[in-house]
Amino acid sequence: DVKVTQSSRYLVKRTGEKVFLECVQDMDHENMFWYRQDPGLGLRLIYFSYDVKMKEKGDIPEGYSVSREKKERFSLILESASTNQTSMYLCASSLDSGAQETQYFGPGTRLLVL
Amino acid sequence: AQSVTQPDIHITVSEGASLELRCNYSYGATPYLFWYVQSPGQGLQLLLKYFSGDTLVQGIKGFEAEFKRSQSSFNLRKPSVHWSDAAEYFCAVAPSVGNEKLTFGTGTRLTIIP
Repeated sequence: DVKVTQSSRYLVKRTGEKVFLECVQDMDHENMFWYRQDPGLGLRLIYFSYDVKMKEKGDIPEGYSVSREKKERFSLILESASTNQTSMYLCASSLDSGAQETQYFGPGTRLLVL
Repeated sequence: AQSVTQPDIHITVSEGASLELRCNYSYGATPYLFWYVQSPGQGLQLLLKYFSGDTLVQGIKGFEAEFKRSQSSFNLRKPSVHWSDAAEYFCAVAPSVGNEKLTFGTGTRLTIIP
């Protein structure tokens, strides 16, 4: 079974702090994704990565950056957290870049920015 | 760009009753279509997906979905729900050509009553 793990289930940070959300997958998947999930808005893609050191902006990249130094690990960075970044963050991975590929999701990190 | 609509925000069904969750998409050709489920406190899990061929797709946990091109719909069904089916359900669409990624609907929350 594919396993996608996220470093924290719950996180509380202060406005202006730099925040790192970590995601690790154990199935040698090429693609990794970061989404945020908000009530009434569903999932929105922040960034994705096709390969190590490769990244592409999703639909809502403003205020975020990402890092993929190793194939299995994809980090989401909030350079200066703001209250409007309070949300549930979901990481996912898929075997390759085809749109038909199944995405496998981690359990999510619920971030509260005070 | 593609889009997907889930018109029902919340549905309540009695245990043992049948279920249908609605999903409508907008896309110029036949897209790839998915249903994911998110149980409380969990990440998303794929229930089923449609690419081509037989328009009735069988998935896990006794779910099925039917692709209707004329109605631009991909509704999810289950003949008899169980209390464990209480969750949030997301329809998603991906283009069959090009490099755009999955677009998720806003989700339908399913409550099961005894």
